[in-house]
Amino acid sequence: KNEVEQSPQNLTAQEGEFITINCSYSVGISALHWLQQHPGGGIVSLFMLSSGKKKHGRLIATINIQEKHSSLHITASHPRDSAVYICAVTLSTDKLIFGTGTRLQVFP
Amino acid sequence: DSGVTQTPKHLITATGQRVTLRCSPRSGDLSVYWYQQSLDQGLQFLIQYYNGEERAKGNILERFSAQQFPDLHSELNLSSLELGDSALYFCASSVSERGSDTQYFGPGTRLTVL
Repeated sequence: KNEVEQSPQNLTAQEGEFITINCSYSVGISALHWLQQHPGGGIVSLFMLSSGKKKHGRLIATINIQEKHSSLHITASHPRDSAVYICAVTLSTDKLIFGTGTRLQVFP
Repeated sequence: DSGVTQTPKHLITATGQRVTLRCSPRSGDLSVYWYQQSLDQGLQFLIQYYNGEERAKGNILERFSAQQFPDLHSELNLSSLELGDSALYFCASSVSERGSDTQYFGPGTRLTVL
């Protein structure tokens, strides 16, 4: 079993839909990261969370430390949101462990 | 543009060879991280340097080594290359030594071993 699990693996949505991607982890962490990787390969850091909730534009990320779970929400999804979304956790040793990613496709 | 640069963009080489990948962090960032992304393994953390010193080590093979120079750029050396080393290699940088800081990723180097 992977230490960081994401679901779903693949997600298809119509433009305008509300999207949720989930991340569960089984280890103690100091932080959780959400990353976005576009088809060209480039990776962008979206959020770094250690508690609570963060919002940036149409993106919202939440974390529940007790339940070892985080969600990434996209409101009013758009075709340009199509990408792979990757959850990663930072251990107390500063080592990072990545989930396998969620491939999102948003159709007009 | 993250401000992190990586060279070369693409590298094609043969098994048994040695290559060097280069990364320049964002201005002001002291930490550099190296990651490998292969089709079957996803993203894996290799190693972190902070201000010239090794800070954290992940799944880095003994055939691989890295260093960070006084000007803070970093190099990842891959030797005795095997077909399975074909992957995208990313570096990222952050301000401090904490792995919990926001990291800024470079565009990656695509290595193909034939």
